[in-house]
Amino acid sequence: AQTVTQSQPEMSVQEAETVTLSCTYDTSESDYYLFWYKQPPSRQMILVIRQEAYKQQNATENRFSVNFQKAAKSFSLKISDSQLGDAAMYFCAYQNNAGNMLTFGGGTRLMVKP
Amino acid sequence: EAQVTQNPRYLITVTGKKLTVTCSQNMNHEYMSWYRQDPGLGLRQIYYSMNVEVTDKGDVPEGYKVSRKEKRNFPLILESPSPNQTSLYFCASSFFGGANPYNEQFFGPGTRLTVL
Repeated sequence: AQTVTQSQPEMSVQEAETVTLSCTYDTSESDYYLFWYKQPPSRQMILVIRQEAYKQQNATENRFSVNFQKAAKSFSLKISDSQLGDAAMYFCAYQNNAGNMLTFGGGTRLMVKP
Repeated sequence: EAQVTQNPRYLITVTGKKLTVTCSQNMNHEYMSWYRQDPGLGLRQIYYSMNVEVTDKGDVPEGYKVSRKEKRNFPLILESPSPNQTSLYFCASSFFGGANPYNEQFFGPGTRLTVL
């Protein structure tokens, strides 16, 4: 079974600065998908960014980008120009190649200081 | 509006009293899934369904049942709830495969369940 580890339970960043959230995973598959989800206080799960394992190019969505290191099984999220609205719980998730199982990490709570 | 709905949003019950949490989606998605969220553990998959009458266990299925009689509905049943099932529950759905290789899942708003 796959496992996903987020080693930072909490992170803090100053508004307008950059922060990186870490995620590592364990799998024996070669093809899979990785996601970062944001969960604000409303509890809604919001997809932030996604990455296919077979693509070497790192995904980017506006201020959000990832550093995908397949050999190291690492998938970190970088948030640039942090905004107060970025404060939330962030979950890293692994989806198996068959697409039927989604495994989440324990989450990182991000605080943004004005 | 495309959405996944869950009812109830909040529920307080007692040990052993059977309950059902409903989940419905209006996007004609084949795939539906249930998760529970607990502090420090993230979301864990309980059951999923690839289509009508097709269900399978996730990582934490003990104490739960599901059914998929209609494409749009995927209820979660707790036959005899216990305090360790106190949690935040999410339903999700997606198109499976084809034009959606990511199987990007759309999540419902969550149901906060407390079992006393």
